[in-house]
Amino acid sequence: EAQVTQNPRYLITVTGKKLTVTCSQNMNHEYMSWYRQDPGLGLRQIYYSMNVEVTDKGDVPEGYKVSRKEKRNFPLILESPSPNQTSLYFCASSLSIGRTDTQYFGPGTRLTVL
Amino acid sequence: AQSVTQLDSHVSVSEGTPVLLRCNYSSSYSPSLFWYVQHPNKGLQLLLKYTSAATLVKGINGFEAEFKKSETSFHLTKPSAHMSDAAEYFCVVSAGGSNYKLTFGKGTLLTVNP
Repeated sequence: EAQVTQNPRYLITVTGKKLTVTCSQNMNHEYMSWYRQDPGLGLRQIYYSMNVEVTDKGDVPEGYKVSRKEKRNFPLILESPSPNQTSLYFCASSLSIGRTDTQYFGPGTRLTVL
Repeated sequence: AQSVTQLDSHVSVSEGTPVLLRCNYSSSYSPSLFWYVQHPNKGLQLLLKYTSAATLVKGINGFEAEFKKSETSFHLTKPSAHMSDAAEYFCVVSAGGSNYKLTFGKGTLLTVNP
């Protein structure tokens, strides 16, 4: 089944404790991205990657890192999480970066930083 | 530059009555427009998309949307609401240009009353 998977689905952590949220897609998509969703703000893009070893900042990159060493995986790293990073995070992928391409979303990771 | 405005943060309808979710956009380029649906505790799923072909676009589950360039609108409609339509709906614009970028609306929560 074609899908985007994320792990963990739920995470509660404390300020400053490094964490990684994994994202994997099995559709051989070139383009992958991370979003955060906050009430009343919709989805905002954190980082995106157009292909292996090619990443760039989205609208809200502060406090996050990413890497793209393999085409299928795009982990999101919070090196020193803070309470304002409490949010719902979505990974997404698409075949390419064309403006008509459909984004396929993972199920989301709900992160709470205490 | 591009932006998208969902005119209602919450819409409540009775089962069997029509649904109208409103979306206006602005874009410097010819846009693609998408509607995504998010059911509780789920990721986002594509409902339909406009990519400069037919202006009336039909999607899944009986939804459709009409692209009106003169009004810069892309409203989502359904003739008869079903209980399973209760979800949050996001209008998204992608305008290409020199940078690939998706801009999400803040979402419209649809409630369907029995």
